[in-house]
Amino acid sequence: SQQGEEDPQALSIQEGENATMNCSYKTSINNLQWYRQNSGRGLVHLILIRSNEREKHSGRLRVTLDTSKKSSSLLITASRAADTASYFCATDSDSSNTGKLIFGQGTTLQVKP
Amino acid sequence: DAGITQSPRHKVTETGTPVTLRCHQTENHRYMYWYRQDPGHGLRLIHYSYGVKDTDKGEVSDGYSVSRSKTEDFLLTLESATSSQTSVYFCAVRSMNTEAFFGQGTRLTVV
Repeated sequence: SQQGEEDPQALSIQEGENATMNCSYKTSINNLQWYRQNSGRGLVHLILIRSNEREKHSGRLRVTLDTSKKSSSLLITASRAADTASYFCATDSDSSNTGKLIFGQGTTLQVKP
Repeated sequence: DAGITQSPRHKVTETGTPVTLRCHQTENHRYMYWYRQDPGHGLRLIHYSYGVKDTDKGEVSDGYSVSRSKTEDFLLTLESATSSQTSVYFCAVRSMNTEAFFGQGTRLTVV
């Protein structure tokens, strides 16, 4: 089974609203990463948060990490129609430095103008 | 695109034929990955590499093999393609504890 599980699977909001996506994982991690994928394209990295960090910001993006609950959240504030995409979390959880990177199933976000 | 090239970008092949997909990188990243993406399943890890000739299986490795004889190239081979291997395949690269960079994807159709 996949390491990262995302919730919700789909989210539809109006432009200007905030969007929150959650990711849960099963084993201890080195870091957790969030990616965005526009339809028909490859994934693009958004934010990486390390296991000793609790929160990171990048523009309108805010990521939190709770290692005690094995969960992370991605908040997009003041959403825009251009934020419409699929969002994935990925966990780097391998302690032997082989770099194994596992993705969740993703959240599909639709932002209506 | 972090210097990642996947080839071919599109391929249609017949059931039972061997198929090789190539991922080439120009920035000397240590780790390379092959994922497949199917509706409702997100990205699933097929195989990955942590150095030349160092590879390991991912979540869905059955029916696939890989090779990495040079730092810059990671090959994914479908020994005998089946319809269930129709998918979009993504290559990714990264360095230790950093973000991954993805190729543009290869759309493979097995008929």
